[in-house]
Amino acid sequence: AQSVTQPDIHITVSEGASLELRCNYSYGATPYLFWYVQSPGQGLQLLLKYFSGDTLVQGIKGFEAEFKRSQSSFNLRKPSVHWSDAAEYFCAVGGFNKFYFGSGTKLNVKP
Amino acid sequence: DVKVTQSSRYLVKRTGEKVFLECVQDMDHENMFWYRQDPGLGLRLIYFSYDVKMKEKGDIPEGYSVSREKKERFSLILESASTNQTSMYLCASSLKTDYGYTFGSGTRLTVV
Repeated sequence: AQSVTQPDIHITVSEGASLELRCNYSYGATPYLFWYVQSPGQGLQLLLKYFSGDTLVQGIKGFEAEFKRSQSSFNLRKPSVHWSDAAEYFCAVGGFNKFYFGSGTKLNVKP
Repeated sequence: DVKVTQSSRYLVKRTGEKVFLECVQDMDHENMFWYRQDPGLGLRLIYFSYDVKMKEKGDIPEGYSVSREKKERFSLILESASTNQTSMYLCASSLKTDYGYTFGSGTRLTVV
């Protein structure tokens, strides 16, 4: 069965610190992988995506993610977090236009 | 930029009412989706559509129906609203799989 696990419900980091948000998935075929960000009261915005090629992908707002097939993971990273990065982050996995979303990780940023 | 517009940001409806949630996209996308978002559960797919007049059930279609009479518009219908349908509803569209989704801003529905 297809599933996406984001093991961290809440994460708090200090501004300027590095960030890693975890995503593990179960999917029967080679998946398309996405990270989205949701600011309070808003819809989701696409941060980055992977479906083939270089396993380290760059996205908007300075985010990157690394696909590790052996670990079924697609973790999101940022070297230095800004206060404006406080939001909820969703990992999504799927294909053929149907995607499964994780339950989200809420990021708080301390001044 | 593709825009996905959901007609209402907030709605309050009574139990048993028939509720229509409207979604319009402006970039000729073939594919449109309705999700509901609940704390701790992430996004769950209700219905999706690959073309006009076509619809497919998602993971939680019970209590919902959809209509897609025109390519740009995808409506979600709650036939008889119940309190357990209180949620944030998100509409999305996509051109094809590897483009990802474009989401609307969401409709927060409260059923009392």
